[in-house]
Amino acid sequence: NAGVIQTPRHKVTGKGQEATLWCEPISGHSAVFWYRQTIVQGLEFLTYFRNQAPIDDSGMPKERFSAQMPNQSHSTLKIQSTQPQDSAVYLCASSAGTGGAAETLYFGSGTRLTVL
Amino acid sequence: QQQVRQSPQSLTVWEGETAILNCSYEDSTFNYFPWYQQFPGEGPALLISIRSVSDKKEDGRFTIFFNKREKKLSLHITDSQPGDSATYFCAASDSSGSWQLIFGSGTQLTVMP
Repeated sequence: NAGVIQTPRHKVTGKGQEATLWCEPISGHSAVFWYRQTIVQGLEFLTYFRNQAPIDDSGMPKERFSAQMPNQSHSTLKIQSTQPQDSAVYLCASSAGTGGAAETLYFGSGTRLTVL
Repeated sequence: QQQVRQSPQSLTVWEGETAILNCSYEDSTFNYFPWYQQFPGEGPALLISIRSVSDKKEDGRFTIFFNKREKKLSLHITDSQPGDSATYFCAASDSSGSWQLIFGSGTQLTVMP
């Protein structure tokens, strides 16, 4: 089991460009989460899916950010018109999806996004 | 508004000492409290967790003490080892509600050999 796989590990974009981050959850896991990590804000919840359906996107900035899960083997986080304040490590996590909020989250190593 | 607070921000102990990491929360509906450990360049990984029906959870050298009345908990790492040097995050959730975990800002622990 390779764990949660996130690609790319590092991404550098210019201000105003689009960035797409990819996540492959652990096989068999039905819940996928996106978090953003910065020194100042720490670990911030963005959104999560269960059985590919979006369940809670309360942490997503309403403009420019969108997440999808087109199939059970991958999810994407897209940031349009990137801004320097979007620079962060974006973490994807998955869980079995059967035990509710008390389940273990398995995190990937993250994608470090740098917006110049 | 920080719903989960951690202190200290950083902590240095000598090998063999006990490290104590503190956490407090505001929302009385929180009933599940995991601690995650993160090494540089990696994502957080679950270390140990406790539910609000318990006041103590032990796993080897790691123990969580939980005080529901004061909305406080602490992680004790006994016989600290240099390999324990990492950032530790306290988190909380309402297990009957949204599945999002609310994380604290973390404590960076350094264990000196």
